[in-house]
Parts: sequence; C-alpha cells; structure tokens
Amino acid sequence: AQKVTQAQTEISVVEKEDVTLDCVYETRDTTYYLFWYKQPPSGELVFLIRRNSFDEQNEISGRYSWNFQKSTSSFNFTITASQVVDSAVYFCALLPRAGGTSYGKLTFGQGTILTVHP
Amino acid sequence: DTGVSQDPRHKITKRGQNVTFRCDPISEHNRLYWYRQTLGQGPEFLTYFQNEAQLEKSRLLSDRFSAERPKGSFSTLEIQRTEQGDSAMYLCASSPRRTGGYEQYFGPGTRLTVT
Repeated sequence: AQKVTQAQTEISVVEKEDVTLDCVYETRDTTYYLFWYKQPPSGELVFLIRRNSFDEQNEISGRYSWNFQKSTSSFNFTITASQVVDSAVYFCALLPRAGGTSYGKLTFGQGTILTVHP
Repeated sequence: DTGVSQDPRHKITKRGQNVTFRCDPISEHNRLYWYRQTLGQGPEFLTYFQNEAQLEKSRLLSDRFSAERPKGSFSTLEIQRTEQGDSAMYLCASSPRRTGGYEQYFGPGTRLTVT
C-alpha cells in the first residue's frame, strides 16, 4: 500500500520569506516516482517536479528546490523568497514504477495550503 | 497541444438525479485517469483506461458509478442516484504512451454539488 503524508495543513508567510513544505511517504515498492503539484484557486493541478527513486540528487529550479532523502522517506519542497502568486494548495504524490495495471495510479497527500501575504 | 478539457466545469444537481461528466484527453494520449477530490483532501484515484479498456477501478467506485471510453478517445463518468457524499471535484488526467503513466496532465476538473 502507498501512503503520502503532508503534516502541514496550512502555512502562512509574508512575502519574501522562505518556506518549506514537508512530505513523507510510505511504499513497499523499491522503485517509484515522487511528484509535487500546485493547485491554484482555479482548481487545475499544475505539475512542478518528478523525481525517480534512483536519483537522490536535490534539484533547484529558480526559486523552487526539492530535497529527496530516501533514508527518511521524505521529499520536501522549498520556495525561496516567496511571492503572493505562490499562494495555492501544494500536493505531494507517489507513483510506483512497477508494471502491471496499477501503473499510473497516483497516490496524493492531503495537501498543504500556502498563503503568502504581501 | 491543447490541454485536457472537461465538461461541464460546474454541476449542481439534486440528490437522486443522474449526472454525466465528459473528459477529452490530449490528442493521442492512450491512458486516461479519473480522480475524485473532496474538500480539503488530495485527489483519490477512481479508475484508469488504456485506450478503450478499463484496466483498474478503485473500491471508491461504487456500483452507482460507471466510466466509459468507447473509442479510446474521450471518456464519460456517470453517477446514478447521486448522494450528498458525491459532492466533490472530479479530475481527469491523460498520459502519453511513451511515459507509461508517470507523466499525467490534468484537466480543470468538474465540480459537482449535490443538494
């Protein structure tokens, strides 16, 4: 069984602050993908990043960075110098790489509501 | 590519009525997924098609729910005898053959309110 936990229900910061969103996952699969999605008020899920379980290198994309630690089953997301436009719900998700009919079945966390105040 | 489209965007219905939602995936994407998202929760997997074949159904998909993808292109999700607990956002996603499902593109969703 797969499980993704985002313990932070809501986070509120002031613009230009750095903020880290936590994600912890559980899986019995040895190979899997991890994702972060952003859901703005419009409702559409926007893909941010995908990481392969073989690749534990951290990644930086502009103001966004991701810290993947397999030893602690965590995949945390940091926004540096937050902006009002970053306000959204952020979801962490897990996808097993195993073949078969379950391939493609994403398991999402509960989401973290991020509010960035001007 | 045009993105995944869903119709309608919003649906308000009375308890006991039947509703049908449509999803048009990105052209030539062979995999299509339905998820349900209730307020304050993450999306939950409902069902998955590869071309026209429905390959997996979640236990969340009760016998009042049925999904089809008759020609391997668009898909419909029907809910019969709606209940208030069916109120949620219904999300559709599609994925190209080459990725095997790890690259899912989501539509804007259909928000269902059952009164």
